[in-house]
Parts: sequence; structure tokens; C-alpha cells
Amino acid sequence: KAGVTQTPRYLIKTRGQQVTLSCSPISGHRSVSWYQQTPGQGLQFLFEYFSETQRNKGNFPGRFSGRQFSNSRSEMNVSTLELGDSALYLCASSSGEDEQYFGPGTRLTVT
Amino acid sequence: KNEVEQSPQNLTAQEGEFITINCSYSVGISALHWLQQHPGGGIVSLFMLSSGKKKHGRLIATINIQEKHSSLHITASHPRDSAVYICAVTSNFGNEKLTFGTGTRLTIIP
Repeated sequence: KAGVTQTPRYLIKTRGQQVTLSCSPISGHRSVSWYQQTPGQGLQFLFEYFSETQRNKGNFPGRFSGRQFSNSRSEMNVSTLELGDSALYLCASSSGEDEQYFGPGTRLTVT
Repeated sequence: KNEVEQSPQNLTAQEGEFITINCSYSVGISALHWLQQHPGGGIVSLFMLSSGKKKHGRLIATINIQEKHSSLHITASHPRDSAVYICAVTSNFGNEKLTFGTGTRLTIIP
């Protein structure tokens, strides 16, 4: 069974731009969660989607948004990028009742 | 105060030593997770537990629900165990939101 994949793996953007990150979960998994990891704040929960519905949301501004498609693939979007958005963005998938399986992450650098 | 606290923050040990990493939490939980993160960022889920004890190879995880405390043990530690170990909790059933501890950086010296 293929693992969780994330694209792109690395990304460099300029302040003010927007970015879209993609996550393909393990086949059969209906839950996809997104996390941000920074040296200062550590790992923080962004949001979780289950069967195309946002089921939970962390404490991030509205510039951070996401969606999930009918095939469970998920995207997250960050608009009006700020320097502080530079981070490793991780997604994780699960069946909804079991442990989460993490993707390799997308490392975003905002200059 | 963080909802999930880990100790120690950093741990250096000789190869072969028995390692213990501790995690305390202050909220009600449905499950506690132990994660491993190697340089480069990839995170691997080691254990998910809601009671008792689980073992996988040289790794053992225990949880005491009454005391809101969990431990991760590594027996016969090896340099390849060097990584950051992260404790995380999910607070409600059917809720995949993980709340993370700050991690323990483990270095095993040959």
C-alpha cells in the first residue's frame, strides 16, 4: 500500500504570494489532517477533513484554508504569505479510528 | 502551561543504554501517540495507546490514565534510534486533532 504523498516537497515563495500544497492519503483513508511545524512553535494542528468536510480547525488565521476532494486527496492554501509562514507543512491520513500516518512534508520558504 | 509536557528536552546516552522519555498531559484524552521524527522531517507513528502497555521490538510504551502520564522506553539503544521523539494526544473520540509536546531530542553515541 502506498504511503501518504505530499507535493511539492520544497517551495520558495515571496511575501504576498499564495501557495497551494497537496496531500494524497493512503488508499481507503478518509481523514486528512494538516500540521505546521516551525522551530519556534513546534508542531501545531491546522485542520482536519473527513469525507470532504472540515471536522476540526486549529487556531490559525483565515489566510490558511483547505479542502478535500471526493477521492480523499486534500489541498491546503495559504494566501498573502508572510515570512512567518515559512515552515514544514505535514499532512497525515487515517481511517478516522486509528493512528495517523504522516507524509514527508512540504518545506515552504517565504522570502 | 502546555497541555502536553515532555521530559527531558534533550537526552544523550551511550549505545546499549536503557532510555526513558516521559510525557504528562493535563487534558482528558481518547488516545496518546508516540511519534519519531528524523532529521529531514519525516514523522513515523510509533504507538497509539489509550491504556496499558504496548511493545514493538525494542520499544515499549506505557500509559497511566489516572496519573495522566506516559513513558516511552527504548531497550538496548542504538545510534539509529537518534531522533526527536514526540508525544501527542487526541482529546475526543472521532477527533483526529493532535496536540503535541515539544519533543525530546535523543542522541545515542556509539
